[in-house]
Amino acid sequence: QITLKESGPTLVKPTQTLTLTCTFSGFSLSTSGVAVGWIRQPPGKALEWLASIYWTDDKRYNPSLNNRLTITKDTSKNQVILTMTNMDPVDTATYYCTHRLGIARLGWWFDPWGPGTLVTVSS
Amino acid sequence: DIQMTQSPSSLSASVGDRITITCRASQSIGTYLNWYQQKPGKAPWLLIYAASNLQSGVPSRFSGSGSGTDFTLTISSLQPEDFATYYCQQSYGPPPVTFGGGTKVEIK
Repeated sequence: QITLKESGPTLVKPTQTLTLTCTFSGFSLSTSGVAVGWIRQPPGKALEWLASIYWTDDKRYNPSLNNRLTITKDTSKNQVILTMTNMDPVDTATYYCTHRLGIARLGWWFDPWGPGTLVTVSS
Repeated sequence: DIQMTQSPSSLSASVGDRITITCRASQSIGTYLNWYQQKPGKAPWLLIYAASNLQSGVPSRFSGSGSGTDFTLTISSLQPEDFATYYCQQSYGPPPVTFGGGTKVEIK
């Protein structure tokens, strides 16, 4: 059974750097085809993909975040870490990490998701 | 970037109703389209992958169809536990991954 859980601060100040950790079980990020993604959701709004990291250590970021994101993995600890610099109140959101599963010719999808962690940006 | 547009943004329906939600991509994405359900305060949950494949454990009243730019999610007989927000997501080509704006299904 695959599970993921996000951890990190619930409150950060504007201009600070946010560091979130996704701790997972039930799969290995060294297995071919596996990836972990981060997705956020501002209160009452839609989902926004932030970044993904692959078993090869390849990384992809949402260009709309203007190079504020860094994603890394610690395979030995089964963790993925996301950092976001220069936090602003508009970054207030629930942040989810999720396992990415793909099947040849069918594509890929996010399943399952962690429960999410609400991060509020306020002075 | 591929833009995903869902319609309607919300709808009211009664238990037992048949409802359809539409998702349109800004360019052809084949069948690289997934649907998620999200209940208040909970994480999204995968319903359908690759446009029409039901995820394990998802009731058969849910179905998905479409290819290219136009996709639909249908619930054949709405149940009380189906009142939620539904999102489509494309997995075609390189990042960024994009989601639709969501469709909130409310009780009439």
